[in-house]
Amino acid sequence: DVKVTQSSRYLVKRTGEKVFLECVQDMDHENMFWYRQDPGLGLRLIYFSYDVKMKEKGDIPEGYSVSREKKERFSLILESASTNQTSMYLCASHSRGIFPLHFGNGTRLTVT
Amino acid sequence: AQKVTQAQTEISVVEKEDVTLDCVYETRDTTYYLFWYKQPPSGELVFLIRRNSFDEQNEISGRYSWNFQKSTSSFNFTITASQVVDSAVYFCALSPGGGNKLTFGTGTQLKVEL
Repeated sequence: DVKVTQSSRYLVKRTGEKVFLECVQDMDHENMFWYRQDPGLGLRLIYFSYDVKMKEKGDIPEGYSVSREKKERFSLILESASTNQTSMYLCASHSRGIFPLHFGNGTRLTVT
Repeated sequence: AQKVTQAQTEISVVEKEDVTLDCVYETRDTTYYLFWYKQPPSGELVFLIRRNSFDEQNEISGRYSWNFQKSTSSFNFTITASQVVDSAVYFCALSPGGGNKLTFGTGTQLKVEL
């Protein structure tokens, strides 16, 4: 079974802090994704990566950056957290051209 | 541009009732994939089904069935004889053929009560 692990289930940070959300997958998948989930808005794509050191903006990249130094790890970075970034963050991965997406359990981030 | 519409925000049913979750999509691609995911209270999205645009056959898996109609751009999901364990948020999603990105609908919260 594919396992996508997000390092934290719950996270509370203060406005202005730099925040790292980590995601690791164990199936050698090329493609990794970060989504954010908000009530009434569904899942929205922030960034994705199709290979090590490669990244592409999704639909809502503003205020976020990503890092993919190793194939199995994809990090989402909030350079200066703001209250409107309070949300559920979901990491996902899949092998190139082969669906479905496999999701982690999510990180619920609260920015106060 | 891709778009997925799940007009039903929340549905409540009594156990053993049948329930249909609606999904309408928009795309200009001739080749695409449609998906359904379930998100139980634990939070992890669970893959249920994938259908490609060339396969309009309906699919049945146990109590679950899916009706794909290109003529109406719909990919509806029916649960027969619903159970409390079916309570979850269900998402419909669309991906262009050969593409990597999924576009999700806003989800339908299904509550099945005793």
